[in-house]
Amino acid sequence: LAKTTQPISMDSYEGQEVNITCSHNNIATNDYITWYQQFPSQGPRFIIQGYKTKVTNEVASLFIPADRKSSTLSLPRVSLSDTAVYYCLRGEGGAGSYQLTFGKGTKLSVIP
Amino acid sequence: EAGVTQFPSHSVIEKGQTVTLRCDPISGHDNLYWYRRVMGKEIKFLLHFVKESKQDESGMPNNRFLAERTGGTYSTLKVQPAELEDSGVYFCASSQELYEQYFGPGTRLTVT
Repeated sequence: LAKTTQPISMDSYEGQEVNITCSHNNIATNDYITWYQQFPSQGPRFIIQGYKTKVTNEVASLFIPADRKSSTLSLPRVSLSDTAVYYCLRGEGGAGSYQLTFGKGTKLSVIP
Repeated sequence: EAGVTQFPSHSVIEKGQTVTLRCDPISGHDNLYWYRRVMGKEIKFLLHFVKESKQDESGMPNNRFLAERTGGTYSTLKVQPAELEDSGVYFCASSQELYEQYFGPGTRLTVT
């Protein structure tokens, strides 16, 4: 299965905006891009999803260009509690099923 | 609203024994998924229920794994007999819409 590619790790100071870019060159026409966050000893938590252009919610923004071969998760003004692993996922659907394909994720460390 | 719950949180068994993991999805969620992360690997999809029916079980590793969802509410995942390579964290997720899945905290399975 084709996967997504994202940085292994990133560091950021508190209060900064963090942008995590993900490559998904082989994305299929019916695939959405979904981002999840995972803290140690917890299950992944849905952050945001999109198909094209820009999506914004209370947590983050997601930018997907017209060719959909990449996407960027933007976290505004991060705090120490945003330290986590962030996964960029393609949802692979078909015939009413939708399995998430996890990669290694990006480990974000927010430092004071 | 209660989230997805899983039981037990941790199970230690010997090779050859049987273990049953339980997942209680969010009330009203028809979709229920099982995923697992074996040591050092990425989170992998196992199967997807829609109500009591198996929609997609393409990720089930072998016939030692049996998942059920009688009545379309909670689900169980039985491993019989357990092998050393089954050790890992087993996550359950549920969703109303296909794309936004809510994960439980996971069950850590250790096979010795």
